[in-house]
Amino acid sequence: EAGVVQSPRYKIIEKKQPVAFWCNPISGHNTLYWYLQNLGQGPELLIRYENEEAVDDSQLPKDRFSAERLKGVDSTLKIQPAELGDSAVYLCASSLDFTGELFFGEGSRLTVL
Amino acid sequence: SQQGEEDPQALSIQEGENATMNCSYKTSINNLQWYRQNSGRGLVHLILIRSNEREKHSGRLRVTLDTSKKSSSLLITASRAADTASYFCATRGTGNQFYFGTGTSLTVIP
Repeated sequence: EAGVVQSPRYKIIEKKQPVAFWCNPISGHNTLYWYLQNLGQGPELLIRYENEEAVDDSQLPKDRFSAERLKGVDSTLKIQPAELGDSAVYLCASSLDFTGELFFGEGSRLTVL
Repeated sequence: SQQGEEDPQALSIQEGENATMNCSYKTSINNLQWYRQNSGRGLVHLILIRSNEREKHSGRLRVTLDTSKKSSSLLITASRAADTASYFCATRGTGNQFYFGTGTSLTVIP
């Protein structure tokens, strides 16, 4: 069974440019998470979806970040415009429901110049 | 925001020794989970312990949970070089929030 797939793995952009990350969760997993991880730190939740509904987006900087999960499957996280401080790894994870273990993708490493 | 804090931040041991790392958290939980992250990779789930459990084993891993002290520990016995990684605790709150700790970086020297 395929795991959580993220793309791109690496992205380098100039500040003020837009960027988008894509995540395909494990088939049948209703819950999807986007996390941000800075170097040497633990993952910080940006948004959690239950099917297509965003149920916890309190940590998402809504002035420049947006996310969507169409049809309750794939998800896209967008940053527009990117700032230098957005350089980090963006992790996507999915779980069967909100109580169990999370399965992570390999992450998308963003560098903003 | 991060719910948990781990101690120590970094740990270096010889192969064959045991490694113990601790996690403290702030609010009531449904369960607590431990994850491993190899450099440049995603996180991998290791073990889950529910709030009504006190100890759990999985292979060379032993996890304890003390809800009165809001703390957990992860013991890796007979460590191997391949155990070198960062280890994170994560708490599932009663409101279904899920937060990670700050992590312990483990280095096992062959």
